[in-house]
Amino acid sequence: GENVEQHPSTLSVQEGDSAVIKCTYSDSASNYFPWYKQELGKRPQLIIDIRSNVGEKKDQRIAVTLNKTAKHFSLHITETQPEDSAVYFCAGYNNNDMRFGAGTRLTVKP
Amino acid sequence: GEEVAQTPKHLVRGEGQKAKLYCAPIKGHSYVFWYQQVLKNEFKFLISFQNENVFDETGMPKERFSAKCLPNSPCSLEIQATKLEDSAVYFCASSPFSEGYTFGSGTRLTVV
Repeated sequence: GENVEQHPSTLSVQEGDSAVIKCTYSDSASNYFPWYKQELGKRPQLIIDIRSNVGEKKDQRIAVTLNKTAKHFSLHITETQPEDSAVYFCAGYNNNDMRFGAGTRLTVKP
Repeated sequence: GEEVAQTPKHLVRGEGQKAKLYCAPIKGHSYVFWYQQVLKNEFKFLISFQNENVFDETGMPKERFSAKCLPNSPCSLEIQATKLEDSAVYFCASSPFSEGYTFGSGTRLTVV
């Protein structure tokens, strides 16, 4: 099955700076990679996703890149704001099998 | 509805007691997933269903844990003889195509 590793486990940035979270996956057949944001005590919510036929996707301040050859994908948040503080999870999906990374706790300092 | 409804929100059980958690997926979603999230935040996959059929149960502890998704009823996750280490938030998610999950709000189980 799929195995997803996520780094770093914690990330602290100054408001306005960029934040980058990286994930690697093991199953080359994986074809869908969502990112979830989980605020303290709340449910994870999908913030962006990318499919394996696309190399990059952007939605306002959030972008995701995918390198299929290297089997890694990254979340990029620009112009970070305090409300971006949360735990972010990446996931890899193939054939009805989705596995999550261990999460990154992002803290944006005002 | 458009939400995955999980009940109860909080559940406290004495060690050795049974715990039963419920999940009503979004209408029309064929896939249901259960995850366990412990304090360090990592999601541990437990089990998935396609309609009422078990799809993948590789994450389920062999003993004490069981789950069902019966027609016209909420899905359920049951833990027999709870242990302290079962304390966690249990999330249910549903999806129409087994990707693009929508998560419920979770059930916080505390075993004392």
